[in-house]
Amino acid sequence: AQSVAQPEDQVNVAEGNPLTVKCTYSVSGNPYLFWYVQYPNRGLQFLLKYITGDNLVKGSYGFEAEFNKSQTSFHLKKPSALVSDSALYFCAVRDPQAGTALIFGKGTTLSVSS
Amino acid sequence: GAVVSQHPSRVICKSGTSVKIECRSLDFQATTMFWYRQFPKKSLMLMATSNEGSKATYEQGVEKDKFLINHASLTLSTLTVTSAHPEDSSFYICSANPTGANQPQHFGDGTRLSIL
Repeated sequence: AQSVAQPEDQVNVAEGNPLTVKCTYSVSGNPYLFWYVQYPNRGLQFLLKYITGDNLVKGSYGFEAEFNKSQTSFHLKKPSALVSDSALYFCAVRDPQAGTALIFGKGTTLSVSS
Repeated sequence: GAVVSQHPSRVICKSGTSVKIECRSLDFQATTMFWYRQFPKKSLMLMATSNEGSKATYEQGVEKDKFLINHASLTLSTLTVTSAHPEDSSFYICSANPTGANQPQHFGDGTRLSIL
């Protein structure tokens, strides 16, 4: 069965420091992977995706993620965190063989302190 | 970019009331839309897949008679919570994606439903 794991409920970083939000997945075949961000009482905003090609993908607001097939991971990264990056982050996977519905991780709250 | 509009953003109503939530894709056509429920501890649960012109596909454990879904056009899906009770209080979010499995889903801003 498809699944996504975000092992950290919360990540705390100081402004200006690099950040990493972890995600691992379990999908048969080649997955499509996504990161979304959610601000309070709002829907999810798309950040970036990996479909195929270069393992390092760049997305919105300076975020990037690295696809690692051997470790089945898709960690979200940013070289220098901003206070405004504080939000809830979701990793999601889609098995292209199984339709277009997304399977989400439980979410990770990122808190950036000034 | 692709925009999904969800309305209303907040509903407060009495127990026993039925509540309709609309989800519209504003600048693309969506043969498939998705309805999620988000619980207080953050997890996003897929409730059902809404299919234009046919019956919705419900996830296991979701009552189809309780959560009625209609997808009458390529730009509109509705979720009706029938005879709502306090335990139905939650944050409901819809999404849709332009054609193609490699396209990201775009989400509405969600509906905060509070049943008194």
